[in-house]
Amino acid sequence: GEDVEQSLFLSVREGDSSVINCTYTDSSSTYLYWYKQEPGAGLQLLTYIFSNMDMKQDQRLTVLLNKKDKHLSLRIADTQTGDSAIYFCAEAYSSASKIIFGSGTRLSIRP
Amino acid sequence: KAGVTQTPRYLIKTRGQQVTLSCSPISGHRSVSWYQQTPGQGLQFLFEYFSETQRNKGNFPGRFSGRQFSNSRSEMNVSTLELGDSALYLCASSLDWGTGVSQPQHFGDGTRLSIL
Repeated sequence: GEDVEQSLFLSVREGDSSVINCTYTDSSSTYLYWYKQEPGAGLQLLTYIFSNMDMKQDQRLTVLLNKKDKHLSLRIADTQTGDSAIYFCAEAYSSASKIIFGSGTRLSIRP
Repeated sequence: KAGVTQTPRYLIKTRGQQVTLSCSPISGHRSVSWYQQTPGQGLQFLFEYFSETQRNKGNFPGRFSGRQFSNSRSEMNVSTLELGDSALYLCASSLDWGTGVSQPQHFGDGTRLSIL
């Protein structure tokens, strides 16, 4: 079956690291994505990881993939107020050009 | 390089009407997908077009249809609008060589459709 789950809310202090977690069900997925959505906007592709990788780092972003547990995480270092948004985890398949999204995690930043 | 462009940004319709939304993909992208985003259902896949053919379809009624033109631009049509069709409709494009391997999708800012 196709299902992606993530927690709905996360609150962190400015300057701390944020870790957003996600679990997925289909082991045949090829790409796993993190998208960011700010109010009134579409989805911005933040980063993605191939299913044969364990980790990917891109500036302040670190993605970790545990294929055995079907667990994906996004770490944002030195979280800033501009990081306030909804973050969507998603998986894609090689045989179908569609993406299955999680429900999104709303990240709020405390001063 | 211009991103995915969706028009119009906002639309207000009444029940029973029909609506057409437009999407221009990133230059060179041949795959275009459509998604519906609502507070209750989240992001749901509508359909995907590649080389003017519908390649994948989600679980939406036949009132939702689409097409793709030879320049990869796509339109989505919803007929006999219902109150529940109020949503943000997002279009995404990806660089697809037709090899069967999906590529990262890039989204537009969406069309917000409100049904009165």
